[in-house]
Amino acid sequence: GQNIDQPTEMTATEGAIVQINCTYQTSGFNGLFWYQQHAGEAPTFLSYNVLDGLEEKGRFSSFLSRSKGYSYLLLKELQMKDSASYLCAMGRVNTGKLIFGQGTTLQVKP
Amino acid sequence: DVKVTQSSRYLVKRTGEKVFLECVQDMDHENMFWYRQDPGLGLRLIYFSYDVKMKEKGDIPEGYSVSREKKERFSLILESASTNQTSMYLCASSTAQGVEDTQYFGPGTRLTVL
Repeated sequence: GQNIDQPTEMTATEGAIVQINCTYQTSGFNGLFWYQQHAGEAPTFLSYNVLDGLEEKGRFSSFLSRSKGYSYLLLKELQMKDSASYLCAMGRVNTGKLIFGQGTTLQVKP
Repeated sequence: DVKVTQSSRYLVKRTGEKVFLECVQDMDHENMFWYRQDPGLGLRLIYFSYDVKMKEKGDIPEGYSVSREKKERFSLILESASTNQTSMYLCASSTAQGVEDTQYFGPGTRLTVL
């Protein structure tokens, strides 16, 4: 199957750390993507993991465990502008296609 | 930087009209995609194309068709628009070279069918 699950909504405080989890069914897996989407705008690429472990890019980090079918996006030193939806997507091998989760809407409060 | 553009940000059409949504990318990408995005349903793939004149159905192709006559341009066609096709339409492109399948999105077209 191709199910991808992530929480629907999360709330966090400015300056804090938040972790957004994503689980997926592993058949045909070819990498895990995270996108950010502000309201009314297009998704923008944040990160790509294909090997196990943590990838860090400034305030954002993404983790992957292939054997567990699990990923998370970690946002540090939250800012108000981080309020957005975060989409987890799984690449399907040899197809070029991505399967998207429904997205997690993150609200950052002062 | 990859640039993907869509012909309109907002579009209002009437039921039964034929609607054309255009997408152009400037990075010589082989793959192009059309999605629609609805609250609670996420991004759903309508059609994709991996080469000129090639197309494959996605998860929800009913009521839509596509055209790819040039590598940089991918058109989505609603033959007879219906109110349940009111949605945000997103175009994306990606390269077929290498392993990574990162897709880059256009700004989206919010279509309202009255």
